[in-house]
Amino acid sequence: DGGITQSPKYLFRKEGQNVTLSCEQNLNHDAMYWYRQDPGQGLRLIYYSQIVNDFQKGDIAEGYSVSREKKESFPLTVTSAQKNPTAFYLCASSPTGRRFQPQHFGDGTRLSIL
Amino acid sequence: DAKTTQPTSMDCAEGRAANLPCNHSTISGNEYVYWYRQIHSQGPQYIIHGLKNNETNEMASLIITEDRKSSTLILPHATLRDTAVYYCIVSSVQSGGSYIPTFGRGTSLIVHP
Repeated sequence: DGGITQSPKYLFRKEGQNVTLSCEQNLNHDAMYWYRQDPGQGLRLIYYSQIVNDFQKGDIAEGYSVSREKKESFPLTVTSAQKNPTAFYLCASSPTGRRFQPQHFGDGTRLSIL
Repeated sequence: DAKTTQPTSMDCAEGRAANLPCNHSTISGNEYVYWYRQIHSQGPQYIIHGLKNNETNEMASLIITEDRKSSTLILPHATLRDTAVYYCIVSSVQSGGSYIPTFGRGTSLIVHP
């Protein structure tokens, strides 16, 4: 079945470490997105990418970095500069970002600080 | 900059219709209304969207008022598995022409036996 795979489901980080969250899609979608969700809150946009080798900052990009070297992959790195990284991270994709089309979401990665 | 307003929580009896309201009084003429839902600890799931006309699919119905300032998502026969947070979204165009949905806090719907 086509879909979005996020791994790992749970991730623990020590203070000062960078960690990378994986997001892979086999839907042949051009656009991909990363969101952060805190308890009881909505989703906030971290980064998005319209096409391979291109990405833009969202509302809360500080302390995060991304790459888009392949169409199917959009990994997110949480750097040590992100002072409060504990959250639920969601990756999504859509056929294109140039007009509004429903997004498909993965099942998320829950990141915690040790 | 929230563009939609939803009640924080609602409840509904199993088998009855669940009617979830959303206000979007600043919606512009070419903006769609989208609904997603998020079951605990999962990613959001697309439900339905509409522009002016009422819409129905296998999951739900969407009723949009004539002035487009509000809408209602209807789950005709709610089941326990419909317990989730429901998000009403108006499309938001970012700089560069990208359409990015803005997710507010949504409505937490609890379906009880």
